Amino acid sequence: DVKVTQSSRYLVKRTGEKVFLECVQDMDHENMFWYRQDPGLGLRLIYFSYDVKMKEKGDIPEGYSVSREKKERFSLILESASTNQTSMYLCASSSLRYEQYFGPGTRLTVT
Amino acid sequence: QKEVEQDPGPLSVPEGAIVSLNCTYSNSAFQYFMWYRQYSRKGPELLMYTYSSGNKEDGRFTAQVDKSSKYISLFIRDSQPSDSATYLCAMSTYGNNRLAFGKGNQVVVIP
Repeated sequence: DVKVTQSSRYLVKRTGEKVFLECVQDMDHENMFWYRQDPGLGLRLIYFSYDVKMKEKGDIPEGYSVSREKKERFSLILESASTNQTSMYLCASSSLRYEQYFGPGTRLTVT
Repeated sequence: QKEVEQDPGPLSVPEGAIVSLNCTYSNSAFQYFMWYRQYSRKGPELLMYTYSSGNKEDGRFTAQVDKSSKYISLFIRDSQPSDSATYLCAMSTYGNNRLAFGKGNQVVVIP
């Protein structure tokens, strides 16, 4: 079974803090993705990576950066957290096939 | 026009009924189609994966793709309260690692 884990299930941060969300997959997948999910807006792609040290902007990259130093690990960084970044963050991975496998999600609250 | 349209619901059905969900899409190049199930406060889990047109059955679940009408469906037979979740459709074109998602359809199965 594919396993995608995320570092925290729930996180509370203050405005202006730097926030790190980490994702690890154990299936040697080439591709990894970060999404945020908000009521009424669905899943929106923030960034994705198709190889180590490679990254591509998704639909809403502003205010976020990513890092992929190892194949199994993909980090999402909020450089200076703001209240409008309060959301559910989901990591996913995929191989050369198309289906993506998701982690359990991190519910981030910025106060 | 959004790339993938999905009625958000909620859809309430009595236990044992057939649940019928669908998505329409605008991009005729989509070839790979997925259905995900997402329980509250959890990550989406892959339910069904189909390629091109036709039907696929897995237990109580049947996925249908009608490329001529740009329409995909998911049927759940003998629905159970444990089927209460949000169902998301997703699709992709050949060679594209990104998925286009519907916004999700909430289903409630009433005991």
